[in-house]
Amino acid sequence: SQTIHQWPATLVQPVGSPLSLECTVEGTSNPNLYWYRQAAGRGLQLLFYSVGIGQISSEVPQNLSASRPQDRQFILSSKKLLLSDSGFYLCAWSDRGGMNTEAFFGQGTRLTVV
Amino acid sequence: DQQVKQNSPSLSVQEGRISILNCDYTNSMFDYFLWYKKYPAEGPTFLISISSIKDKNEDGRFTVFLNKSAKHLSLHIVPSQPGDSAVYFCAASPLGFNKFYFGSGTKLNVKP
Repeated sequence: SQTIHQWPATLVQPVGSPLSLECTVEGTSNPNLYWYRQAAGRGLQLLFYSVGIGQISSEVPQNLSASRPQDRQFILSSKKLLLSDSGFYLCAWSDRGGMNTEAFFGQGTRLTVV
Repeated sequence: DQQVKQNSPSLSVQEGRISILNCDYTNSMFDYFLWYKKYPAEGPTFLISISSIKDKNEDGRFTVFLNKSAKHLSLHIVPSQPGDSAVYFCAASPLGFNKFYFGSGTKLNVKP
């Protein structure tokens, strides 16, 4: 069965520090991968979408970047964190081969920028 | 610009009664719609979906209705149970793309 791992679960970082969140998927090949953010009291905002290694689509302009160095690895990064980067970050995957499939989410990372 | 909207941030229902959660969308290219359930500090879990070629999909106590002309969908939970208390997100995916756009969520509280 497929599983998605996301770490760390919680993170407190000072303003101006770098960020690296990692997500890996097991049990599937060539997945679509996603990074979402849920800000306090808000919905899930799609940040990045990837259909393959090195193929990243950014949905909103922001202080973050994403990379996909391996087929089942997705990394969210920032060179210098802002207070507004605080939120709950979720990685997700879906089956690229299927039409009308659902996304499966990791457990999320709570990021607090202080 | 929010393409998927859930205008009710919260809903309180008595156990055993029906819960109706609503969702509106603006993008006519959306052709697949999903509902997710989310507990605090966890990732959302998939609940039920519907394709634009249907107007109803049922799975146990959960039924999703789609009204394409109104660009509106709803999730019905019958009967509601205390364990259903969570935040429910509506999501939509455009034709040909496996991208998912989410609403802001509705927090459902089912009272015993």
